[in-house]
Amino acid sequence: AQTVTQSQPEMSVQEAETVTLSCTYDTSESDYYLFWYKQPPSRQMILVIRQEAYKQQNATENRFSVNFQKAAKSFSLKISDSQLGDAAMYFCAYRRTNTGNQFYFGTGTSLTVIP
Amino acid sequence: ETGVTQSPTHLIKTRGQQVTLRCSSQSGHNTVSWYQQALGQGPQFIFQYYREEENGRGNFPPRFSGLQFPNYSSELNVNALELDDSALYLCASSGGVFSGNTIYFGEGSWLTVV
Repeated sequence: AQTVTQSQPEMSVQEAETVTLSCTYDTSESDYYLFWYKQPPSRQMILVIRQEAYKQQNATENRFSVNFQKAAKSFSLKISDSQLGDAAMYFCAYRRTNTGNQFYFGTGTSLTVIP
Repeated sequence: ETGVTQSPTHLIKTRGQQVTLRCSSQSGHNTVSWYQQALGQGPQFIFQYYREEENGRGNFPPRFSGLQFPNYSSELNVNALELDDSALYLCASSGGVFSGNTIYFGEGSWLTVV
């Protein structure tokens, strides 16, 4: 069974600084996808970034980047130049290939941005 | 704006009752999944429907059931409600099961069982 572990229940960062959120996962599959989702108080899941396991290059989206270590089954999210609007719950998620919307989510990290 | 609408937003039910939650997706979204998110937890996969048939299920008992309709709407039904069923229920829809499709989440329905 696939499991996703986020070992940091809460994190805080000063505005304009950089923060890294950790995620590890367990799977026997070789082809899969990894995601970071942001969940603000509105509760709607917002896609932050996604990584295909077959790609060695780490994904980046503006201020967001990942460090994907396939052998170590590690998938961390780095947020640069943190902004107040980045404050939210962040969930790491795993999805097997071609399974539609079937995600396995971690327990989340609550990020606070300090002005 | 994701085009995924869930109703009702909030509701309160009594233990033992039945509840139906609804999700309306964009036109062409033939794949819908439902998730249960307890307070302080990550979403847990309940089941998925593809072209009106269930094609994946998580570790939830049979009293959790669903339907998907030709008009891209879907329902989650929960019978014999228990206190532990209190949670946020999210639906996620997309245009198919292939990995390249963009997935859209609704804002959820808050269910409280008393």
